[in-house]
Formats: sequence, C-alpha cells, structure tokens
Amino acid sequence: NAGVTQTPKFQVLKTGQSMTLQCAQDMNHEYMSWYRQDPGMGLRLIHYSVGAGITDQGEVPNGYNVSRSTTEDFPLRLLSAAPSQTSVYFCASSYGTSGSPNYFGPGTRLTVT
Amino acid sequence: DAKTTQPNSMESNEEEPVHLPCNHSTISGTDYIHWYRQLPSQGPEYVIHGLTSNVNNRMASLAIAEDRKSSTLILHRATLRDAAVYYCILSALSNTGKLIFGQGTTLQVKP
Repeated sequence: NAGVTQTPKFQVLKTGQSMTLQCAQDMNHEYMSWYRQDPGMGLRLIHYSVGAGITDQGEVPNGYNVSRSTTEDFPLRLLSAAPSQTSVYFCASSYGTSGSPNYFGPGTRLTVT
Repeated sequence: DAKTTQPNSMESNEEEPVHLPCNHSTISGTDYIHWYRQLPSQGPEYVIHGLTSNVNNRMASLAIAEDRKSSTLILHRATLRDAAVYYCILSALSNTGKLIFGQGTTLQVKP
C-alpha cells in the first residue's frame, strides 16, 4: 500500500490564484480530512469527509472547498489564494470505526506571495 | 470536543524511559485517547490509542488513570529518533476522523 499520498510537495502561488491540492489513499478508508499547520503551531482541521459524497467543515474552513466523489480521493481547492493561507497542508484518512487511527500524508508546503 | 493539557516541553536522556503526561479532565465516557507524534518536517504519525485499559504496542505503552481524567504515554527506551512533538488527542466515538490538535509536548532526547 502507498498509504496516503499528496501532490504537489511544494507550491508557490500569487495572491488571487487558485489551485487544487490532491490527496489519495489506497486503504479503502471511509474518513478523510485536511489540516493546515502554521509555523510553530499544532494542526488545525479545515474540512473532513465521512464517506463519498459527504463533507463537513472543520475549525478553519474559510477560503477552502472540498468534494469527495470517490472513496480514494479528497482534493482541497483554494479558490483565491491569500498570503494567510501560506502553510503546510496535511491530508489524513482512517477507517472511521471505534477509535481507529488516522494515517497522515507527507504534506504540501504552500507559499502565497 | 474535550480538551487536553500537556507540558510544552520535556527532556530525556537516550536509552532512558520517558513518561509524557496528558490531562483531560472533561473527557466523556465514549472519548478515545489518542497519541500522535510529529517528527521534524513530517506529517503526524499514529503512536497508540486506548479507551479505558492500559495499552501496549511495539512503539509505546499508554497508561490511563482509573477515572480517565489523565493518561501517560510511556516510551520505554528513548532514542534520538524519538525527538518529536507528541500530541495527546481525544477522539469521540462518532468523530474518529476529526482530530483537534493542541500544542503538544516537544520531547528533546539528549545523547
């Protein structure tokens, strides 16, 4: 299993540009989620999904869109990038059963200038 | 979601045991206690989790207080590779995929 994969690893955007961060998992996990981590901080939940076709907001959803058309993929869209969205983005997945662990991807480092 | 309290930082000597504490006085009966760690420049990594009983796995042990208001992650022999930020997180039974991270404990391991 490749586990949780994220692309790209690094990205630089100009303010106002849009882009999609990709996340895929091959473990047939129902739950997937997106987090951001600012320098020296813990992770904050952006959006999450409990299955294909179902998404919900986390702690910091503004400026981000998600959709989940398949079990495997959970892309994160930045509609109009802002410097405040400069961060490292992590995707995670889990089975969603009682207490099952989350598995995280390697992250995407995004810089918005 | 119930919150956890951890010390900001701890130090340990290599090859000695490390006890990382976590307080969660508002834990509910169906909250699981999860521990993750994050090595520098990497994504978080699952360490261990439990509900009521103490748990062991190849990475660590988790000791849960009888009243469940606190827990301790035990690394039996710290190595330099264990230097990381350790997060104690409560995960509701119905929200397993939704983790609320605090600041965690930064563990420094000295050779």
